[in-house]
Amino acid sequence: AQTVTQSQPEMSVQEAETVTLSCTYDTSENNYYLFWYKQPPSRQMILVIRQEAYKQQNATENRFSVNFQKAAKSFSLKISDSQLGDTAMYFCAFMKSNNDMRFGAGTRLTVKP
Amino acid sequence: ETGVTQSPTHLIKTRGQQVTLRCSSQSGHNTVSWYQQALGQGPQFIFQYYREEENGRGNFPPRFSGLQFPNYSSELNVNALELDDSALYLCASSLLAGGADGADTQYFGPGTRLTVL
Repeated sequence: AQTVTQSQPEMSVQEAETVTLSCTYDTSENNYYLFWYKQPPSRQMILVIRQEAYKQQNATENRFSVNFQKAAKSFSLKISDSQLGDTAMYFCAFMKSNNDMRFGAGTRLTVKP
Repeated sequence: ETGVTQSPTHLIKTRGQQVTLRCSSQSGHNTVSWYQQALGQGPQFIFQYYREEENGRGNFPPRFSGLQFPNYSSELNVNALELDDSALYLCASSLLAGGADGADTQYFGPGTRLTVL
């Protein structure tokens, strides 16, 4: 079974600084997808970024980028120029081709003014 | 483009009752997945519906059942409610363009908060 581990229950960062959230996963699959979702207090899960395992290039979306290390089964999220609106729970997720998506326990990120 | 919507927003039930939660998928999507998110935890996959058929199921008992309608909206039904069923129930829609074994990004609704007393 696939498992997703987020080892940082809580993190904080000063506004405008950079923060990295960690995620590791365990799988025997070769083809899969990895995601970071953000869940603010409004509780709606919002897609931050997506990475296909067959792509070597790390995904980027504006201030958000990932460091995908397939051999190490690591998928960290870097948030640059942190903004107050980035305060939320961040979930790392793994998905095989059959759409069974597994989530980590989440990291609570607080951006301080 | 209409996003994923869920109803109701909040619901309070008593143990042993039955509940139905509803989800409307994002326009153009043909697949709906349901998740249970207990307080302080990540979402747990319940099941997925693709073209009105169940297309995968997580580790949930048969009292959790679902439906998908021709317009791709979906229902989650839970019978014989237990206290541990109290959670946020999330629905997510996606487009499986390559068939039931395909994969695509899932977009989530705002959730239904279920409280079982």
